Amino acid sequence: SAVISQKPSRDICQRGTSLTIQCQVDSQVTMMFWYRQQPGQSLTLIATANQGSEATYESGFVIDKFPISRPNLTFSTLTVSNMSPEDSSIYLCSVELLAGMETQYFGPGTRLLVL
Amino acid sequence: GEDVEQSLFLSVREGDSSVINCTYTDSSSTYLYWYKQEPGAGLQLLTYIFSNMDMKQDQRLTVLLNKKDKHLSLRIADTQTGDSAIYFCARIMFSGGYNKLIFGAGTRLAVHP
Repeated sequence: SAVISQKPSRDICQRGTSLTIQCQVDSQVTMMFWYRQQPGQSLTLIATANQGSEATYESGFVIDKFPISRPNLTFSTLTVSNMSPEDSSIYLCSVELLAGMETQYFGPGTRLLVL
Repeated sequence: GEDVEQSLFLSVREGDSSVINCTYTDSSSTYLYWYKQEPGAGLQLLTYIFSNMDMKQDQRLTVLLNKKDKHLSLRIADTQTGDSAIYFCARIMFSGGYNKLIFGAGTRLAVHP
């Protein structure tokens, strides 16, 4: 497995502002993923972040709302832009340690509340 | 996650066995997973099973896979209060050049004395 950290662990934000969430891994990984877990719900994939290329977004998620960076093999950021109360969720990053390994390990999540 | 279904709630007595069930519709997944989420925490990978296996045992955990019925179960032996959590079943789907996890809604396990 890998040690995955996220910053911030939680935040309370005002509507209309943006928040950037960081995900750091203690080893180089090929694929990083960002998920959203709305209150009382399951996890939904937002996008896949591959180093050296643009993120691939799932249906219902767009780059203008959730820009993602992947500058190297150990780090990624997700920005939640122009926030509204509907963006209140847990945001989790996950990693696939080896290409094609098909097993993902998750970070502790960032708990976001938008007022 | 509508193609992975789980019952939402399970209550068991401490020391009993817990069985959490999951059904899925797409039989092409090579791996199926069980994740655990404790209150206020992220997801912890509990165990996984490869699609050509019927059973996998890991200490108190037993995973059973019935490919014909597309049914996956997680049995926790000697359930303890520390096992109280939400358990997510997930399957892997290869799409757009990468592996994506499709999650069920999660089963909340409550362990009582």
